[in-house]
Amino acid sequence: NAGVMQNPRHLVRRRGQEARLRCSPMKGHSHVYWYRQLPEEGLKFMVYLQKENIIDESGMPKERFSAEFPKEGPSILRIQQVVRGDSAAYFCASSIIADTQYFGPGTRLTVL
Amino acid sequence: DAKTTQPPSMDCAEGRAANLPCNHSTISGNEYVYWYRQIHSQGPQYIIHGLKNNETNEMASLIITEDRKSSTLILPHATLRDTAVYYCIVRVAWADRGSTLGRLYFGRGTQLTVWP
Repeated sequence: NAGVMQNPRHLVRRRGQEARLRCSPMKGHSHVYWYRQLPEEGLKFMVYLQKENIIDESGMPKERFSAEFPKEGPSILRIQQVVRGDSAAYFCASSIIADTQYFGPGTRLTVL
Repeated sequence: DAKTTQPPSMDCAEGRAANLPCNHSTISGNEYVYWYRQIHSQGPQYIIHGLKNNETNEMASLIITEDRKSSTLILPHATLRDTAVYYCIVRVAWADRGSTLGRLYFGRGTQLTVWP
């Protein structure tokens, strides 16, 4: 049973470009969570989604960031017009119900 | 918003037991204690969780005090690969979970260093 998969593992963008991060949850998991870890800091919750629904986006920056978890396919975290402060590791986690979360390996975003 | 307190760092000799403490004096009756670890910026790894009884799995043991205000994660035979930041997190049980309670609050955790 494959774990949570994230791609790409490393992503380099120039300021002003868009970044798309993908997360495929574990098989049978319908709950997805996104967390961000800035350099030398702890993980911070961003958004919690179930299939086709955003349940809690209180940790998401109000502008430029969006997330979706469509009926088919992976969850996508989209960052528009990236700035250097967006450089971080972005982790996705999934759970069967709103219970134990299992994390992916992360996507490391570098904004030049 | 972390409801837990952990020492910032601990050392342990390889092969010895590592005992990582956590204080959660404001824990509610419907909240579990979860432990995760993060090895060198990899994705956090789930270790174990419990409500009030002691728990054991292939990775570790979790000892929760009777008043549930503190707990200890025990790695019985630490290896160099156990060097990581260990996070103690409290969260509500799934049956009581509302929309804003799905998140995990990661504090600073404890940096465990296992030395040869």
